[in-house]
Amino acid sequence: DTEVTQTPKHLVMGMTNKKSLKCEQHMGHRAMYWYKQKAKKPPELMFVYSYEKLSINESVPSRFSPECPNSSLLNLHLHALQPEDSALYLCASSRVSSGANVLTFGAGSRLTVL
Amino acid sequence: AQKITQTQPGMFVQEKEAVTLDCTYDTSDPSYGLFWYKQPSSGEMIFLIYQGSYDQQNATEGRYSLNFQKARKSANLVISASQLGDSAMYFCAMRGVIQGAQKLVFGQGTRLTINP
Repeated sequence: DTEVTQTPKHLVMGMTNKKSLKCEQHMGHRAMYWYKQKAKKPPELMFVYSYEKLSINESVPSRFSPECPNSSLLNLHLHALQPEDSALYLCASSRVSSGANVLTFGAGSRLTVL
Repeated sequence: AQKITQTQPGMFVQEKEAVTLDCTYDTSDPSYGLFWYKQPSSGEMIFLIYQGSYDQQNATEGRYSLNFQKARKSANLVISASQLGDSAMYFCAMRGVIQGAQKLVFGQGTRLTINP
């Protein structure tokens, strides 16, 4: 079983809907990440939170809004998405210190925008 | 800027054979880390092995080993005695630190198929 839990596993939404993706970990990790992965492509970094503060935003459109309410939870709020936003959204967590920091990934949320 | 290159889009290997997946990288940072992840069709990214730039020995984890050649900037993954369950997408990744936060940059991936 993965130690990073993502819900929902699948989400279908219209372009006018508002929905959220959720991610939870209980490994004591203080860095959390959102990646976007299109079919047959590598994951691309969207956001990084370090100690519950947003530290990296890779120029992601404002229709994606991240939130880190506490050290165990990471949300991605979705609003007015486009069909090209359909992808697998992966959450990951890691320790903050340098060295062999392994990112532990969740199983992903597969999003389809109609 | 950091760059990871995986030149093999797909590989087909007979079960029980060893397989090498290629990865080259480019970075100006003297300290860096290299990772290999496996992604089955289910979508989850599974960590396989890590090599630090200052590590003197090649990393090994069970059937996985990393052939690290620093001068050539290559970090190839070797899977010994391949199994049907090894069929998946494999990504090489490099760690960078930006604004105090860790960032993983992935290569394009290699799809490995193990034939019975």
